[in-house]
Amino acid sequence: KAGVTQTPRYLIKTRGQQVTLSCSPISGHRSVSWYQQTPGQGLQFLFEYFSETQRNKGNFPGRFSGRQFSNSRSEMNVSTLELGDSALYLCASSQGTGQFQPQHFGDGTRLSIL
Amino acid sequence: GQQVMQIPQYQHVQEGEDFTTYCNSSTTLSNIQWYKQRPGGHPVFLIQLVKSGEVKKQKRLTFQFGEAKKNSSLHITATQTTDVGTYFCASHSGNTGKLIFGQGTTLQVKP
Repeated sequence: KAGVTQTPRYLIKTRGQQVTLSCSPISGHRSVSWYQQTPGQGLQFLFEYFSETQRNKGNFPGRFSGRQFSNSRSEMNVSTLELGDSALYLCASSQGTGQFQPQHFGDGTRLSIL
Repeated sequence: GQQVMQIPQYQHVQEGEDFTTYCNSSTTLSNIQWYKQRPGGHPVFLIQLVKSGEVKKQKRLTFQFGEAKKNSSLHITATQTTDVGTYFCASHSGNTGKLIFGQGTTLQVKP
């Protein structure tokens, strides 16, 4: 079974631009969550999507948004990029939503803001 | 909001020595999950603990959940160089899919 696939693996953008990251979950997994990982803040939850609906949201500004498609694939968008948005963005999928679901992570997209 | 504190931040050990990382919360946790992230890699799910006082073992790894469900530990016996990486604990916030991670403990093993 193929794992979680994230594209692209690396991105370089400049301040003010916007970016879209893509995530394809493990086949059969309907929940997709997004996390931001930085050396200073660690792993922080961005949001979770299940059946095309945002189920949970972390404490990030409205510049961070996402969506999920009917095939469970998900995209994350960040608008008006800031230097502090430089991070590894990880997508994780699970079979269901809610408590007790192990998360299966992709390799991430490393975003660098110049 | 719910927070999970993890210590130590770093640990350097000689191969063959034991290693322990601890997670603590001021509130009762619904569960604890443990993940391992190798350098340059992504977090990989290791195990989940749900019951008060639960203890689970995976070969040289022993995972414990406190009686009050406010703390957890991961103990590695006789570390090997393959154990190198960052170990994270995490817990779901309330009855949701929002997973709160500890800051992680980075383990270095000297051969």
